[in-house]
Amino acid sequence: DADVTQTPRNRITKTGKRIMLECSQTKGHDRMYWYRQDPGLGLRLIYYSFDVKDINKGEISDGYSVSRQAQAKFSLSLESAIPNQTALYFCATSDPRGLAGNEQFFGPGTRLTVL
Amino acid sequence: DQQVKQNSPSLSVQEGRISILNCDYTNSMFDYFLWYKKYPAEGPTFLISISSIKDKNEDGRFTVFLNKSAKHLSLHIVPSQPGDSAVYFCAAGGSNYKLTFGKGTLLTVNP
Repeated sequence: DADVTQTPRNRITKTGKRIMLECSQTKGHDRMYWYRQDPGLGLRLIYYSFDVKDINKGEISDGYSVSRQAQAKFSLSLESAIPNQTALYFCATSDPRGLAGNEQFFGPGTRLTVL
Repeated sequence: DQQVKQNSPSLSVQEGRISILNCDYTNSMFDYFLWYKKYPAEGPTFLISISSIKDKNEDGRFTVFLNKSAKHLSLHIVPSQPGDSAVYFCAAGGSNYKLTFGKGTLLTVNP
């Protein structure tokens, strides 16, 4: 079973629509992250959360919002999707108390296309 | 300003030979570095890491070297195998537990 799951895996939507991407984890980690990947640009941090009551902006948070519903769930919303938000979106978790230190564990990704 | 740079978008090597992937960074506050491997349609998976207090870490066929004075690290894969063909991301982190990623290098290992 996957430790970090993302739904949906693929989504096509239209400009102006509200979209929610969901992430769940069974690793018991407190820290969760949302990234987007664009061709040739690597992974860029959108938002991160170090526990249920903690939400922080990353380097590219404009146009996005997040909700940490529980330790295991962290969702990303696009309130009004635009075409330049077409990208691969990854959720990740980490636990600094673990043997691997600050290693982050990634979900399989959501491919979002905004027409 | 890009703090973690992978200047080679792609690398092609023959099976059995050494693959060397390079990464440069600019922020001297980074105190640990990681390499991730990513196959198409999958999330990145952790490969190997190194703390800033070390200059080498080895795990099987994979070795990461860190040169702090040059702000440079490299990943060596010996011997390279076709299954190693993937995009490799270099990442760096500090006390804030956030990772900064490079743009990635596509490695192709030819049989």
